[in-house]
Amino acid sequence: DVVLTQTPPTLSATIGQSVSISCRSSQSLLHSNGNTYLHWLLQRPGQSPQLLIYLVSRLESGVPNRFSGSGSGTDFTLKISGVEAEDLGVYYCVQGTHAPYTFGAGTKLELK
Amino acid sequence: EIQLQESGPGLVKPSQSLSLTCSVTGYTITSGHDWSWIRKFPGNKMEWMGYISNSGSTNYNPPLRIRISITRDTSKNQFFLQLNSVTTEDTATYYCARSGWALFDYWGQGVMVTVSS
Repeated sequence: DVVLTQTPPTLSATIGQSVSISCRSSQSLLHSNGNTYLHWLLQRPGQSPQLLIYLVSRLESGVPNRFSGSGSGTDFTLKISGVEAEDLGVYYCVQGTHAPYTFGAGTKLELK
Repeated sequence: EIQLQESGPGLVKPSQSLSLTCSVTGYTITSGHDWSWIRKFPGNKMEWMGYISNSGSTNYNPPLRIRISITRDTSKNQFFLQLNSVTTEDTATYYCARSGWALFDYWGQGVMVTVSS
C-alpha cells in the first residue's frame, strides 16, 4: 500500500500566521492517465471531514482561498495563508492513484 | 443539497457482525460516483474500507476483504456496510461518503461503534 507521511504531526499557530503541511508519498501519485489523485481534508472538532483541495491544487467550492495546495510526484504541500480560528482541526492528505486508497496520519492544527 | 446519514447500533459484541446503513438524499446513488465506507479509529488514523460503485460493483480494502460486504438498495437510495467477526480493534467512528478516486466530497455525520462484550 502507498504510505503517506504527513509532517508535522502537530502544528501550533497564531491567528494570521501562515503555515504549511507536508505530505510525502512512498510512490509517485501521478496516474498513467495524467492525473494526480492527491487530496486534502480538514476535520474540525466534532465534525465530519470536509474536502478542501482535490487533485493537488484545486480548491473545493466554498473553501476560502487562503488554502492552497501544491506539489507533484511524491511531495505535496498544503498551505494556509493566514490562519483563522475556524481552521483548527486535523488535516489529512489522501491518495486515490493506487489501490487501496490511503490516508496520511493527520496533522493537528492548534492555536498557540 | 446532497446529504448522507449513517445509522446503526453503537455497540456490537465481539465475534458478531456490524451492520450500518447510509441513507443518501439529494443525489441518486445510481447516477454516478462511488459510495464509500471509511472509519476513523481512536486517535487520528483513518482507513478506507471499500466502496460500491454507481453500477453496483464493489471494491474492498484487502485486509478487510474476507470480512466485509457493501451492498445497496436502490429503491431506498441507501447503501450498507456489513463487517463480520468484529473484534475490539474494529471500535471506530464509521463514515459513509461519496467518492471517486478518493475524492471524498460529501460525508455523513459519522456513527461511533464500540465493540465490547
